[in-house]
Amino acid sequence: AQSVTQPDIHITVSEGASLELRCNYSYGATPYLFWYVQSPGQGLQLLLKYFSGDTLVQGIKGFEAEFKRSQSSFNLRKPSVHWSDAAEYFCAVVPGGGGNKLTFGTGTQLKVEL
Amino acid sequence: DGGITQSPKYLFRKEGQNVTLSCEQNLNHDAMYWYRQDPGQGLRLIYYSQIVNDFQKGDIAEGYSVSREKKESFPLTVTSAQKNPTAFYLCASRLAGAYNEQFFGPGTRLTVL
Repeated sequence: AQSVTQPDIHITVSEGASLELRCNYSYGATPYLFWYVQSPGQGLQLLLKYFSGDTLVQGIKGFEAEFKRSQSSFNLRKPSVHWSDAAEYFCAVVPGGGGNKLTFGTGTQLKVEL
Repeated sequence: DGGITQSPKYLFRKEGQNVTLSCEQNLNHDAMYWYRQDPGQGLRLIYYSQIVNDFQKGDIAEGYSVSREKKESFPLTVTSAQKNPTAFYLCASRLAGAYNEQFFGPGTRLTVL
């Protein structure tokens, strides 16, 4: 079955440390890939997206993600985390070829220790 | 400023009552979506609409209804048939085209007492 997996439910990092949030998908063709961030009680904000081309994608707020076809992964990274990055992060996919329906992972809750 | 508005932010209803959640966008987007969010389950698609007067069921449409009479508006009705309606509801919209992402509203938290 087609799915999106975020293996880590909760992650805690110290401010200034590096961050990597994992996302794996199982689709036949390369899907379109997205990372969104959600602050408590708020809507979702797009961090970055990947459709094709360069597999390293730069986003807002200093985030980047790397698409690895061989691993069916699209992990989100940030070199140095700020306390304001504490939030919930969602990986989402649209099946290859585009379309209307986004499928979301279950999210990773990030806590930043000062 | 262009964006998506959802009202109200918090909504309380008694069990057995229907309730309608508002979603309006002034982005001139073609498609609109409703999601339900529960802790630990991510977002699940309820309904979506690609054009006016047309909409499709998502993954969890039972107990919900929608209409799309205007391009800017996509209200969601939570009916009494929905077994567990207490949740956070998010509306989104998207410009037509394969490479365009969805933009989200601020959400409505519905609590059924």
